[in-house]
Amino acid sequence: AQSVTQLDSQVPVFEEAPVELRCNYSSSVSVYLFWYVQYPNQGLQLLLKYLSGSTLVKGINGFEAEFNKSQTSFHLRKPSVHISDTAEYFCAVSDYLSGGGADGLTFGKGTHLIIQP
Amino acid sequence: NAGVMQNPRHLVRRRGQEARLRCSPMKGHSHVYWYRQLPEEGLKFMVYLQKENIIDESGMPKERFSAEFPKEGPSILRIQQVVRGDSAAYFCASSPRLAGDNEQFFGPGTRLTVL
Repeated sequence: AQSVTQLDSQVPVFEEAPVELRCNYSSSVSVYLFWYVQYPNQGLQLLLKYLSGSTLVKGINGFEAEFNKSQTSFHLRKPSVHISDTAEYFCAVSDYLSGGGADGLTFGKGTHLIIQP
Repeated sequence: NAGVMQNPRHLVRRRGQEARLRCSPMKGHSHVYWYRQLPEEGLKFMVYLQKENIIDESGMPKERFSAEFPKEGPSILRIQQVVRGDSAAYFCASSPRLAGDNEQFFGPGTRLTVL
């Protein structure tokens, strides 16, 4: 069984400061990893995903994440945040199966990123 | 290309009534997933369907919940005899299920309130 742990439920950061949102996972097989963002009362939007290849993944809105297999982590970073980045961020994992994806995504509980002016 | 459509966006039901939530996947996507999000929680997988088939319902409550994805029309998540604990946001996602990729595209959700 898979699990995802987002260590911080809430992260306050000043505008234009860097931020890191932490995500650790556990799985007995190889995985795909995702970061989604959810703005208030909206659905989830994909920020970035790791499928294979380079462990540093660049996404939309200036975000990037690094897959670390030995530490089973997939932390999300942004060098300089903006007020508009205030949202809930979810890390998710899916089993990797040859020939195609698996079933549902397993999500962490989310990290609320609060940008302070 | 329109995204994943869900309706209604908000649904209010009294205890004991039925709730029907609809999801139209993105064009070209034949794989649909339903998730539930309780307040202050992440999304929990409920069920995965292809056209006319339930592939994985391991996250569905054993009673009162059912899902379908008919050959024609949207996918339906049905909750019978709703209780207060069913109040949540229900999200649908669709995917083309490309080899080597399990990216899922999410709809805006249906927020169910049970009075």
